[in-house]
Amino acid sequence: SQQGEEDPQALSIQEGENATMNCSYKTSINNLQWYRQNSGRGLVHLILIRSNEREKHSGRLRVTLDTSKKSSSLLITASRAADTASYFCATDEDNYGQNFVFGPGTRLSVLP
Amino acid sequence: EAGVTQSPTHLIKTRGQQATLRCSPISGHTSVYWYQQALGLGLQFLLWYDEGEERNRGNFPPRFSGRQFPNYSSELNVNALELEDSALYLCASSLILAGVEQFFGPGTRLTVL
Repeated sequence: SQQGEEDPQALSIQEGENATMNCSYKTSINNLQWYRQNSGRGLVHLILIRSNEREKHSGRLRVTLDTSKKSSSLLITASRAADTASYFCATDEDNYGQNFVFGPGTRLSVLP
Repeated sequence: EAGVTQSPTHLIKTRGQQATLRCSPISGHTSVYWYQQALGLGLQFLLWYDEGEERNRGNFPPRFSGRQFPNYSSELNVNALELEDSALYLCASSLILAGVEQFFGPGTRLTVL
């Protein structure tokens, strides 16, 4: 089955609320990254968390990593309509650490 | 600084034809990656080139091929197109030794009729 599976597949919230997306993976990793994609365009890198880190912040984003559970979560606080996008987690495979496996993504809709 | 560029933006082909997609990485980046994103699905890794050589390949048939030129730009060729090849093809680049963040281009949407 697929590495880096996000959950939920779709999430709809009101502006100002927090959005939490989860990612599970199956093999050991060196790092995990989150990306955002707007309307079928290119991906924008949000944050990278290494396997020896448990939590990382970047602006309104908070990412956690639990290697024992092979899972990560992305929290977007005080969401805005502009946060509407698809969010993907990507894990590195054990092949030079350069090969990423992306999950199917979570489609986030932030309603005004 | 210019980002990753891809051309064309859209490409329409018929079944059995060949498609060529192009990618120019960020200046100084030596690694180029190709991904396929079928409608509503995640990204599937296709190919990774670095310093002109193919470093890794995803689980795709041989009719998906490519190359990297001396200026680090890259081409993805898809031969004998099939309907299920319709997808957004994304190119990304990175500095191989400077971490693992990949910078993505806007993609080429390939439609096979």
